[in-house]
Amino acid sequence: DQQVKQNSPSLSVQEGRISILNCDYTNSMFDYFLWYKKYPAEGPTFLISISSIKDKNEDGRFTVFLNKSAKHLSLHIVPSQPGDSAVYFCGFSLAGNNRKLIWGLGTSLAVNP
Amino acid sequence: KAGVTQTPRYLIKTRGQQVTLSCSPISGHRSVSWYQQTPGQGLQFLFEYFSETQRNKGNFPGRFSGRQFSNSRSEMNVSTLELGDSALYLCASSPDRADYGYTFGSGTRLTVV
Repeated sequence: DQQVKQNSPSLSVQEGRISILNCDYTNSMFDYFLWYKKYPAEGPTFLISISSIKDKNEDGRFTVFLNKSAKHLSLHIVPSQPGDSAVYFCGFSLAGNNRKLIWGLGTSLAVNP
Repeated sequence: KAGVTQTPRYLIKTRGQQVTLSCSPISGHRSVSWYQQTPGQGLQFLFEYFSETQRNKGNFPGRFSGRQFSNSRSEMNVSTLELGDSALYLCASSPDRADYGYTFGSGTRLTVV
């Protein structure tokens, strides 16, 4: 049962343009949503998050959008920079004390100079 | 503040052997989760420990086991290694707060030959 889908395994964007990464989910019990970035040979690092009571959260060049009715999560990076080239994972948390994070398969973003 | 420390960074083992990986969480973090990352499979959840108890478990065979000590340090053991166990094994620690803060280590790259 695949509760999270990160349908684009890769994305290529020109420097200065917008990068949009997407995740779809099926479980309406998710209450917290996160984006992590991973460089090769390093562990994922936290990027930005949003709770289910919001539909948008901004942090500098990064904005996360949550569309609960469509069960869709997206990450916008504006403007994209070559240093943003990495694999991006969306993570979804189930409500309740027995917390568990469920991850998408990742999208490899390449920002070309 | 020290990050999450995983040892060793790299490991080469032979099929049939067993291996133990170690994770030292950030001081004060009581939750430790383990993930397997392989190309095309994203972050596969292995298990999570909280206060020395396994709180969540993924869909991995019994050859994969773990434990957590009173100081929150965690170990993961894989017995009877198979070629398909070659992967990057990541550990993440969290203070177990609702607003999260999973911090990943750099991982242990296991190669089974």
